[in-house]
Amino acid sequence: AQSVTQPDIHITVSEGASLELRCNYSYGATPYLFWYVQSPGQGLQLLLKYFSGDTLVQGIKGFEAEFKRSQSSFNLRKPSVHWSDAAEYFCAVGGGTSYGKLTFGQGTILTVHP
Amino acid sequence: DVKVTQSSRYLVKRTGEKVFLECVQDMDHENMFWYRQDPGLGLRLIYFSYDVKMKEKGDIPEGYSVSREKKERFSLILESASTNQTSMYLCASRDSGQETQYFGPGTRLLVL
Repeated sequence: AQSVTQPDIHITVSEGASLELRCNYSYGATPYLFWYVQSPGQGLQLLLKYFSGDTLVQGIKGFEAEFKRSQSSFNLRKPSVHWSDAAEYFCAVGGGTSYGKLTFGQGTILTVHP
Repeated sequence: DVKVTQSSRYLVKRTGEKVFLECVQDMDHENMFWYRQDPGLGLRLIYFSYDVKMKEKGDIPEGYSVSREKKERFSLILESASTNQTSMYLCASRDSGQETQYFGPGTRLLVL
């Protein structure tokens, strides 16, 4: 069975600092990996995705993520955080089935201090 | 742009009531999903539909049913609402053959 673990429930950073959110997955085949962001009171917005190819993927809002197969990880990074990045972030894994079911992690809440 | 809408942003119901949550997408997507979101648990899949009138159980289907009579609309039904169904409910849609799911804004349901 597939699973996703986001070890950090809550992270606090100062504005302008760098950010890394961790994501570890368990999946029996080549995974499709996603990061979504949810601002307060909103639905989920796709930040970036990895299907194949270059293991460093770029997303919207200056985010990037690196797929490391040996570590079963897909960590999200941003070099300089803005106050508007405060939100909840979800990592998800899918398997390329025709139904596209995703399994989500527990989420990481990001607080940004001025 | 893909647009997924949900009929209500906030809903308050009483225990035992029958509750309908509606989701509509405007991109002719074949696949649609219902999740519930609870703090510390992330999103959990309740049901999904891969085509009109076709449905499959997700990870937590107990206490829920679904209906998909038209391609653009996917309804989640709580036959007899209970307090433990108080949650945020998120709908998503996806084009078959693509991997990205597009989400609606969510419905926050309170069952008293």
